[in-house]
Amino acid sequence: NAGVTQTPKFQVLKTGQSMTLQCAQDMNHEYMSWYRQDPGMGLRLIHYSVGAGITDQGEVPNGYNVSRSTTEDFPLRLLSAAPSQTSVYFCASSYRGVETQYFGPGTRLLVL
Amino acid sequence: KQEVTQIPAALSVPEGENLVLNCSFTDSAIYNLQWFRQDPGKGLTSLLLIQSSQREQTSGRLNASLDKSSGRSTLYIAASQPGDSATYLCAVRSFGNEKLTFGTGTRLTIIP
Repeated sequence: NAGVTQTPKFQVLKTGQSMTLQCAQDMNHEYMSWYRQDPGMGLRLIHYSVGAGITDQGEVPNGYNVSRSTTEDFPLRLLSAAPSQTSVYFCASSYRGVETQYFGPGTRLLVL
Repeated sequence: KQEVTQIPAALSVPEGENLVLNCSFTDSAIYNLQWFRQDPGKGLTSLLLIQSSQREQTSGRLNASLDKSSGRSTLYIAASQPGDSATYLCAVRSFGNEKLTFGTGTRLTIIP
């Protein structure tokens, strides 16, 4: 199993540009989530999904959209990037939301 | 609101020593607590998951304990090795909450 994969590994955007961060898992996990990690603030939940077709907001959802059309994929969209979205983004999955979370390697995003 | 604290932020110990990392949380109504390891520039790797009904979990040289009444968890690492150098994060899942609340981590350095 590849586990949780994320692309790209690193991205530079200009303010106002849009992009999609990709996340995929091959473990048939129902639960998937997106976190951002900022220095001194720990990881914060952006959006999560408990299954295909179901998404919900986390702690810091503003400026981000998600969709879950398949069990395997959970992309995160930035519609109009802002410097405040400079961060490292992690995707995670688990069989159920309360079980062990498996994290992807992260996407480092710089917004200029 | 659940808050998770990890003190100290950084710790250096000589190789071979046993050590304890601390995690405290403010709301004892938790579903489970998870310890992760994060290497620089990498994603999070789950080390141990303790359910609220459990007092401890062990994996190899690692032992995690949980005391809900006092809002504390410890991660004990026996016979430390340079390869144990990493940042260790704890995360709590509270009842009725889909998100993990993370601490900001303890950066551990094992001195050869």
